[in-house]
Order: sequence, then structure tokens, then C-alpha cells
Amino acid sequence: AAGVIQSPRHLIKEKRETATLKCYPIPRHDTVYWYQQGPGQDPQFLISFYEKMQSDKGSIPDRFSAQQFSDYHSELNMSSLELGDSALYFCASSLHGSTGELFFGEGSRLTVL
Amino acid sequence: AQSVTQPDIHITVSEGASLELRCNYSYGATPYLFWYVQSPGQGLQLLLKYFSGDTLVQGIKGFEAEFKRSQSSFNLRKPSVHWSDAAEYFCAVGPFNQAGTALIFGKGTTLSVSS
Repeated sequence: AAGVIQSPRHLIKEKRETATLKCYPIPRHDTVYWYQQGPGQDPQFLISFYEKMQSDKGSIPDRFSAQQFSDYHSELNMSSLELGDSALYFCASSLHGSTGELFFGEGSRLTVL
Repeated sequence: AQSVTQPDIHITVSEGASLELRCNYSYGATPYLFWYVQSPGQGLQLLLKYFSGDTLVQGIKGFEAEFKRSQSSFNLRKPSVHWSDAAEYFCAVGPFNQAGTALIFGKGTTLSVSS
């Protein structure tokens, strides 16, 4: 079965650079979530989109932005990167009206040097 | 405030022994409850979920969990642990059928399995 696809899987950036992460949800899923997980931490919710509209907002820095496109894929844009942005970024998708289960991708590991 | 508490940061269990990981939640409405497992450097895999009905739910890999409304708990159990079960386990709570509203995760419990 198709899963959530995230790219790139690994990314290395310098401080103050920008980075873009992409997420392709499971086909027919209409909701996308972004989470950030620091080393040894639990996943922290950043932002979500339902039917291409922002649905919920968590602890997403102002330097970050995201959107969901017409084909339901989503991109997380991160600017003015800081060392503390180094983390595993997860995308998850779900289908509204189902049992609320989030299906997670394998994550994109961002390292800021 | 909505929250999930996993009281045990790290648990070590002998292979073949039984396991119980604790999860308590605080949630104002009818919640969905989930247990996810994460191996190092990997994504989160759903073990099981509860949203209604039988309070004892069965999941993958021989895991089960019991929802106890009176105790606001959703503890994860396995009768016989295998070395491959060593991983990070996260309990999560979410709203009932609200599109796009995020799950709230606990801090996680690291399970080590000794031989």
C-alpha cells in the first residue's frame, strides 16, 4: 500500500540558509500535518492543512511557512535556519471522516551547521 | 488543557517477560487514543487505536491496550516481549473527527529488552 512520501530524507544546510521539505500524502487523504522531533524528544506539532486550507497551528516559528497544493502534497519552507532547527521533520496524512489515525512518513532529517 | 502523560521515561524488560506501558490523558471531549512505536531514525508506526466500543483493543505485533475512562488511562500491554520490540513508544490523543486538528503526543517511553 502507498505510504506517505517525504523528500528529501536527509538535508544539510548552513545557518541562515533556507530549506524546503516536501510531503506527498497517501492517495485520497485530504489532511496533512507537519511535526518536528528534536533528538530524544516527542514529536511537536507545527501546522496542518485540510483541503488546502490551514487547519491547525502549533509551535511553528515565524521563519517557517507551509502550504498544501491542489494535488494535496505539502511543502514546509524554513528560512533563516538556526542550529536549533536541526531535527527530524515528519509529515503525516489522514482522511477526514475516518478514525483520526495519522499515517506518518519516514521523516526528513535536517542538519543545520 | 489537553495533555498526555507517560510516567515512565525508560523501561527495561527481559525477553519473554510481560510489558505494560502507562499512559494517562487529560482531554475535555471524547478522545481518540493511539499508541505509536518508533525505531531509531524511523517514522512512527501505529500499533493500535481506540475511539469507541470495546475498551480492550488489539493491535499489531501482539500488543493490546485497555481504555479506562474512570482512570483516564490507555495502557499498552504485551504478554511476552521480543528483542525486536525495543523502541520508543508514544501515546497520543486526538479529537473526535475534527479535520486537521493535531494529535497530542506524550513524551514517550523507551523500551529496552534484555536477554
